Amino acid sequence: DAGITQSPRHKVTETGTPVTLRCHQTENHRYMYWYRQDPGHGLRLIHYSYGVKDTDKGEVSDGYSVSRSKTEDFLLTLESATSSQTSVYFCAISRDRDTGELFFGEGSRLTVL
Amino acid sequence: SQKIEQNSEALNIQEGKTATLTCNYTNYSPAYLQWYRQDPGRGPVFLLLIRENEKEKRKERLKVTFDTTLKQSLFHITASQPADSATYLCARPSYSSASKIIFGSGTRLSIRP
Repeated sequence: DAGITQSPRHKVTETGTPVTLRCHQTENHRYMYWYRQDPGHGLRLIHYSYGVKDTDKGEVSDGYSVSRSKTEDFLLTLESATSSQTSVYFCAISRDRDTGELFFGEGSRLTVL
Repeated sequence: SQKIEQNSEALNIQEGKTATLTCNYTNYSPAYLQWYRQDPGRGPVFLLLIRENEKEKRKERLKVTFDTTLKQSLFHITASQPADSATYLCARPSYSSASKIIFGSGTRLSIRP
């Protein structure tokens, strides 16, 4: 199994509070991704990174920011959480974009009350 | 924008039959399509990739086709088993950036004994 760790795995927070989810990899893969998964919507890309300090927006980036200060860590921050951001968040990594094969973490379930 | 659609939200079939799942895309043909399997509470797991110039690819009981005229990929599981029950997702690279991987909403497959 690819070495990907997401933390926390579960979090309950209140509207308006900041939240940071962490994705840590031990594979030294260049590409890292954050997706959210909601019933009926499948996986939607929030942000992704193609190298240290290199990030770009995905389909649903509003209300989210990311940072990647080193290869192994990709942080997703909700500056002021809203109930619409209640979701399961998945981190994924990929070695190259020729095949784009993604390896996923186990997910982080976030509930915003 | 490019979309990727999996028309069937759920599919129920009898054990031993062939399951066929459909993935349709819009606009430009992607360089490849990917298929993933996701079990409840887990992250998706990569199964197969088929490139634009490949008509068909097989892996054990799995077969994937890519029809650029119909803008469609079919995913077949032959001799289906209850253990094949899961959600299956197709994915494609974005036209604007090959590093962006976009997913369909998935098809939940149930194999009854």
